[in-house]
Amino acid sequence: DAGVIQSPRHEVTEMGQEVTLRCKPISGHDYLFWYRQTMMRGLELLIYFNNNVPIDDSGMPEDRFSAKMPNASFSTLKIQPSEPRDSAVYFCASSLGASSYNEQFFGPGTRLTVL
Amino acid sequence: SQQGEEDPQALSIQEGENATMNCSYKTSINNLQWYRQNSGRGLVHLILIRSNEREKHSGRLRVTLDTSKKSSSLLITASRAADTASYFCATDADPGGYQKVTFGIGTKLQVIP
Repeated sequence: DAGVIQSPRHEVTEMGQEVTLRCKPISGHDYLFWYRQTMMRGLELLIYFNNNVPIDDSGMPEDRFSAKMPNASFSTLKIQPSEPRDSAVYFCASSLGASSYNEQFFGPGTRLTVL
Repeated sequence: SQQGEEDPQALSIQEGENATMNCSYKTSINNLQWYRQNSGRGLVHLILIRSNEREKHSGRLRVTLDTSKKSSSLLITASRAADTASYFCATDADPGGYQKVTFGIGTKLQVIP
């Protein structure tokens, strides 16, 4: 398997624009996680899905953020409108089983810069 | 809120020396995990230790867990330049929780050749 795939790897956009980040989890994994990493706040869990269903979105910072998982092999994280403080590295991870008991596999991340 | 906190935040050692990183957490856990992150990359799982275990080994890695002190340590023996990375502990996000974990802020390890 190719591992968790994320696109794009880098995104530079202007404030107010819509940004869509994409993730393809490892085939067969039933959990998918979206994280945001910044120097100030470290690695924060934004939302996670179990069998394509959003379970906990309490980490989503604002209504400007939304995530979907239309099928087992694809998820998106959308920011609309984007703001400079959204600049961060966004990671997608997947696991087979609950993450407390099982290894998470991380994608390479998307580095987002909002000007 | 963050559960685990690593200490020190940064560590610089010479190749061949041992590196020890610590993680403290606040509430009871089912398991504790350690991950490594190389610069510009995603996190990679290193080892998982269960709450009823006290010590676990994997190659040059040794992890200990003291549930009475709510702390864990990661020891890397005979360090190599390739061990240069940030190391994170991850714990259950909530008491009794198991579906998600919370990551600490990490220890940045530099191994000087």
